[in-house]
Amino acid sequence: TQTVSQSDAHVTVFEGDSVELRCNYSYGGSIYLSWYIQHHGRGLQFLLKYYSGNPVVQGVNGFKAEFSKSDSSFHLRKASVHWSDSAVYFCAVTGGSNAKLTFGKGTKLSVKS
Amino acid sequence: NAGVIQTPRHKVTGKGQEATLWCEPISGHSAVFWYRQTIVQGLEFLTYFRNQAPIDDSGMPKERFSAQMPNQSHSTLKIQSTQPQDSAVYLCASSVQNTEVFFGKGTRLTVV
Repeated sequence: TQTVSQSDAHVTVFEGDSVELRCNYSYGGSIYLSWYIQHHGRGLQFLLKYYSGNPVVQGVNGFKAEFSKSDSSFHLRKASVHWSDSAVYFCAVTGGSNAKLTFGKGTKLSVKS
Repeated sequence: NAGVIQTPRHKVTGKGQEATLWCEPISGHSAVFWYRQTIVQGLEFLTYFRNQAPIDDSGMPKERFSAQMPNQSHSTLKIQSTQPQDSAVYLCASSVQNTEVFFGKGTRLTVV
């Protein structure tokens, strides 16, 4: 069974600040980790993914995430946020040969100007 | 590429009625998923198909929910005898295996 935990339900920062959205997972085998963004009233959009290789993966709009096997984590970071980054961010894990995504509860990011 | 297309975007049904939700995956994508999203439960996996064959329906409520994929260009999710607790946004998604998953805009189902 794979599980995903996003410890922060809501994060508020100011425009230009850096931000880290936390994601921890549990799964015993090989995994595929990803982040999705959902703007208010809109569908889920893919941000980035990790399966193997370089543990730091770059996504769209300046987002990046770092995989840590020792910490069972896949935190999302951005160096300088913009008001348009305000959205809900979901971390997801796919385990083994089963392609289904298991999502965390999401973190709502609010960027104040 | 129009993306994953879901119809209708909004559906209101009376308690006890049947609801059918439609999904057209991206052409060439071999995997099709159904999810349900609510404020309380978040994103819940329902079922998925690979090459039209049902692979995992572990998230489907057993008695009233069913999903089919009669051909590679569409999938349906049918809810019989709808109940107020079925009210949610139902999301369809598709992917080529082990790559990013593309989501549709969802169908908002309201059971009154």
